[in-house]
Amino acid sequence: SQELEQSPQSLIVQEGKNLTINCTSSKTLYGLYWYKQKYGEGLIFLMMLQKGGEEKSHEKITAKLDEKKQQSSLHITASQPSHAGIYLCGADRSPGNQFYFGTGTSLTVIP
Amino acid sequence: DAGVTQSPTHLIKTRGQHVTLRCSPISGHKSVSWYQQVLGQGPQFIFQYYEKEERGRGNFPDRFSARQFPNYSSELNVNALLLGDSALYLCASSWRTSGSSVGELFFGEGSRLTVL
Repeated sequence: SQELEQSPQSLIVQEGKNLTINCTSSKTLYGLYWYKQKYGEGLIFLMMLQKGGEEKSHEKITAKLDEKKQQSSLHITASQPSHAGIYLCGADRSPGNQFYFGTGTSLTVIP
Repeated sequence: DAGVTQSPTHLIKTRGQHVTLRCSPISGHKSVSWYQQVLGQGPQFIFQYYEKEERGRGNFPDRFSARQFPNYSSELNVNALLLGDSALYLCASSWRTSGSSVGELFFGEGSRLTVL
């Protein structure tokens, strides 16, 4: 079973619409990371969150880590076709030794 | 500067064969990790190496092995290939030091293995 559950599993939105992807862990997270993957390619780092309540933004993408550090959300404002891909959350299980990914959310943006 | 490079990019093997995948990290990165990504799923952690020592291992059988060389490049070896080993194998490097957070991982484009 996956320790990081993402929802929704897939998302199809019209260009210009806002959307939110959630990542939930059953355990307190040491660090929470968001990555984007173009189909069949490597992963691109988006953001890292470490402190409960932390929020970071880059261009039209905002990520938040809740106070209890067990859930994170990724919000995209005014989506564009370039936002399409697979979004993955990832986390440290403990300082250093292992890194694991969520189940992934496939995003399609229709022009 | 070159990013993480992996080779080969694509390969086809038959059941029972052996495969070696290679990864060169970003210059200055001493930590390398390997992931298996089956179609439609998130990457699964296989190994992490730091300073040429194994620092973490995921839930994979002993058919999977890896090593890191003095120049910090790494190899992933898989013996006795099964159909279920067909996947995209990703390598990532980072600045990580022992005991610290993983930090930002820089990924290669992956090696796509097909087992027939």
